[in-house]
Amino acid sequence: DQQVKQNSPSLSVQEGRISILNCDYTNSMFDYFLWYKKYPAEGPTFLISISSIKDKNEDGRFTVFLNKSAKHLSLHIVPSQPGDSAVYFCAASAYSDKLIFGTGTRLQVFP
Amino acid sequence: KAGVTQTPRYLIKTRGQQVTLSCSPISGHRSVSWYQQTPGQGLQFLFEYFSETQRNKGNFPGRFSGRQFSNSRSEMNVSTLELGDSALYLCASSRADRGQTEAFFGQGTRLTVV
Repeated sequence: DQQVKQNSPSLSVQEGRISILNCDYTNSMFDYFLWYKKYPAEGPTFLISISSIKDKNEDGRFTVFLNKSAKHLSLHIVPSQPGDSAVYFCAASAYSDKLIFGTGTRLQVFP
Repeated sequence: KAGVTQTPRYLIKTRGQQVTLSCSPISGHRSVSWYQQTPGQGLQFLFEYFSETQRNKGNFPGRFSGRQFSNSRSEMNVSTLELGDSALYLCASSRADRGQTEAFFGQGTRLTVV
């Protein structure tokens, strides 16, 4: 039972354009959401998070949007840079519970 | 401030053997979680330890076990290794005893079972 789903295994975006990575969840108890970025042979690196009391959180080029009614969140990267090429994982948790990860989306930013 | 340290980085074992992986969390972090990453499966949660007690457990067989020491360092053990156990094993530590804070990951241990 995949409670956190990233339905796009890969995404290719031109440098300078917007990258939009999507994530859907099924558990209505989730109230905290995170995005991680992972390069090969390294552990995931925390990018940005959002609490369910908000619908948007911004940090530099990265913005996360949360639509609770649709159980959907997205990560926007603007402008995209070649160094953003990595696998992106969304994760969710209910208060005090473990993080549940999606299967990841491989982003490739080309010149 | 040192990050999460996992040792060893790489391991090759044969079927039927057992293996122990080690994780040293960030100083001051009391929660340590373990994840298995395989291609196409994302990060699958194994278990979480907090103050030397297992607080959460994922859906893995009993061959997978762990423990946490008083200094918050954690070990994960896999017995009777199977080929399907080949994966990247990641450890993450976090600060909160309860509540929502991000987890910080180590670089992982790449286990290959032959």
